[in-house]
Amino acid sequence: AQSVTQPDIHITVSEGASLELRCNYSYGATPYLFWYVQSPGQGLQLLLKYFSGDTLVQGIKGFEAEFKRSQSSFNLRKPSVHWSDAAEYFCAVGLSGNTGKLIFGQGTTLQVKP
Amino acid sequence: GAVVSQHPSWVICKSGTSVKIECRSLDFQATTMFWYRQFPKQSLMLMATSNEGSKATYEQGVEKDKFLINHASLTLSTLTVTSAHPEDSSFYICSASGTGETQYFGPGTRLLVL
Repeated sequence: AQSVTQPDIHITVSEGASLELRCNYSYGATPYLFWYVQSPGQGLQLLLKYFSGDTLVQGIKGFEAEFKRSQSSFNLRKPSVHWSDAAEYFCAVGLSGNTGKLIFGQGTTLQVKP
Repeated sequence: GAVVSQHPSWVICKSGTSVKIECRSLDFQATTMFWYRQFPKQSLMLMATSNEGSKATYEQGVEKDKFLINHASLTLSTLTVTSAHPEDSSFYICSASGTGETQYFGPGTRLLVL
């Protein structure tokens, strides 16, 4: 069965430090991969996505993610975190075919220390 | 581009009443719309998928007679929670996709049933 795992429920980093949020997936076919961010009480904003091609994907707000097929991973990174990055981050796998469904990970809460 | 709105952003209702939530794609035609439910500190749970002009497909365990979904046009889908009860209190989020695989999310609607 398809699944997405975000091993870290909560991460705290200092402002200006680098960030890596982990995401592992289980899916038989070539996945469509997404990272979304959710601020408290808000909907989800798309940070970046991977469908095919270059495995290093650039997104908004200075985020990037790298697809590693051999590790079934799609980790999100940012070289220098800003206080405004504090939020909930969700990794998702899109099921190919005609359903368009997304399977979400459990989410990682990012706290940024001043 | 790819903006999705939801109305209302929050609603309080009495137990036994029905509540309608609207989801609109403002600048693109949404072939498919999705409705999610999110409990505090948890990930998104897909409730149903709707395609314009056809009946919604509900996920296992979601009561279709309780959560009525209508996708009457390419820019509007509605979710009606019928005979709402306190256990229906939650954060409801819609998303929309056009011809691609990417889902764009609305800001969510917080429902409180007294």
